[in-house]
Amino acid sequence: NAGVMQNPRHLVRRRGQEARLRCSPMKGHSHVYWYRQLPEEGLKFMVYLQKENIIDESGMPKERFSAEFPKEGPSILRIQQVVRGDSAAYFCASSPGVPEAFFGQGTRLTVV
Amino acid sequence: SQQGEEDPQALSIQEGENATMNCSYKTSINNLQWYRQNSGRGLVHLILIRSNEREKHSGRLRVTLDTSKKSSSLLITASRAADTASYFCATDVNTGNQFYFGTGTSLTVIP
Repeated sequence: NAGVMQNPRHLVRRRGQEARLRCSPMKGHSHVYWYRQLPEEGLKFMVYLQKENIIDESGMPKERFSAEFPKEGPSILRIQQVVRGDSAAYFCASSPGVPEAFFGQGTRLTVV
Repeated sequence: SQQGEEDPQALSIQEGENATMNCSYKTSINNLQWYRQNSGRGLVHLILIRSNEREKHSGRLRVTLDTSKKSSSLLITASRAADTASYFCATDVNTGNQFYFGTGTSLTVIP
């Protein structure tokens, strides 16, 4: 059973471009969480999704950020018109249902 | 905010010594988990303790939970250089909802 797969591992975008981050949960997991980690900081919750549903997006910035978890395929975190402040590591976690969550290796986004 | 706080922020010990780090949180929880993060890597789940449990062991790890004080501790015995990492606690309040992470304790084990 492969772990949570995130790709790409590293992503460089120029200001104003779009960033798409992918997360394939572990087999059998229908819960996906996205977190953002700034350098030297802890993880900040962004969004919690189940298949085809956004359950809790209280941590998502109101603009430019969106997430989906379709019936088929990976979960996508999309950041439009990226700015320097979006540079961070973005982690995805999956769960078969609480309480345990398993994390991917993260995508490190750098906006230049 | 429910976000936990780990204490200390940074800890440096000699190999073979024990390392203790603490986590405090603000509201009632269902579960508390500890994770390890090696530099530049993802998080690795270490141990979960439920709100009705007081202590759990896993190998060289010992976790305690005091719900009356809203705190937990992680003890790593006989530390090794490979234990050098950041350690985070995470709590979940409502079933199926987000996990709240603390800011982490950075542990350095000196060979």
